[in-house]
Amino acid sequence: DAGITQSPRHKVTETGTPVTLRCHQTENHRYMYWYRQDPGHGLRLIHYSYGVKDTDKGEVSDGYSVSRSKTEDFLLTLESATSSQTSVYFCAIQSSYNSPLHFGNGTRLTVT
Amino acid sequence: AQSVTQLDSHVSVSEGTPVLLRCNYSSSYSPSLFWYVQHPNKGLQLLLKYTSAATLVKGINGFEAEFKKSETSFHLTKPSAHMSDAAEYFCVVSGGSGGSNYKLTFGKGTLLTVNP
Repeated sequence: DAGITQSPRHKVTETGTPVTLRCHQTENHRYMYWYRQDPGHGLRLIHYSYGVKDTDKGEVSDGYSVSRSKTEDFLLTLESATSSQTSVYFCAIQSSYNSPLHFGNGTRLTVT
Repeated sequence: AQSVTQLDSHVSVSEGTPVLLRCNYSSSYSPSLFWYVQHPNKGLQLLLKYTSAATLVKGINGFEAEFKKSETSFHLTKPSAHMSDAAEYFCVVSGGSGGSNYKLTFGKGTLLTVNP
């Protein structure tokens, strides 16, 4: 597997609390992505990064923010968690345009 | 804009019989296409990719896919299913203009069940 680690692997939190998920890579890839996976929806892009401090929104970005202060780390923050954000979150990395994505093993987040 | 449609949400086969998972795509540009597999509680793993070279693409674990531009299809096949093939499969399209080049669009997935 590509060197990509997500933490934590599981988290339970309460509605209204902030939550930060971390994605760490050792591949020095330029592009990093956060997806959420929900039954019947496949994977949906939340935010992505095309370099340090360069990020942009995906199709389901409301309620989420990201930061990338160094190449290896891409953080996803739920500013005030809601039950609709209960999901499995996947980070992915990509070395160049049109190259395959390599995925982490996911973070299962439950918002109660 | 690009999109991808996986025509079956669930496919069930017997062990040793052929597998066919269907995928249609639309793209304004020459696309790159991928198939990924996801085993339970795991991340997605690349099976194979098409990037405008040979139209018949061979992947890992005996899977292959054929790019048919006239039919806008990229179906995944395997001659003989194995129990370990039971998983969810995702067809993915990439390709667009300007800054959207590296944004991939995922199909909703096909769950493959393999019966003994």
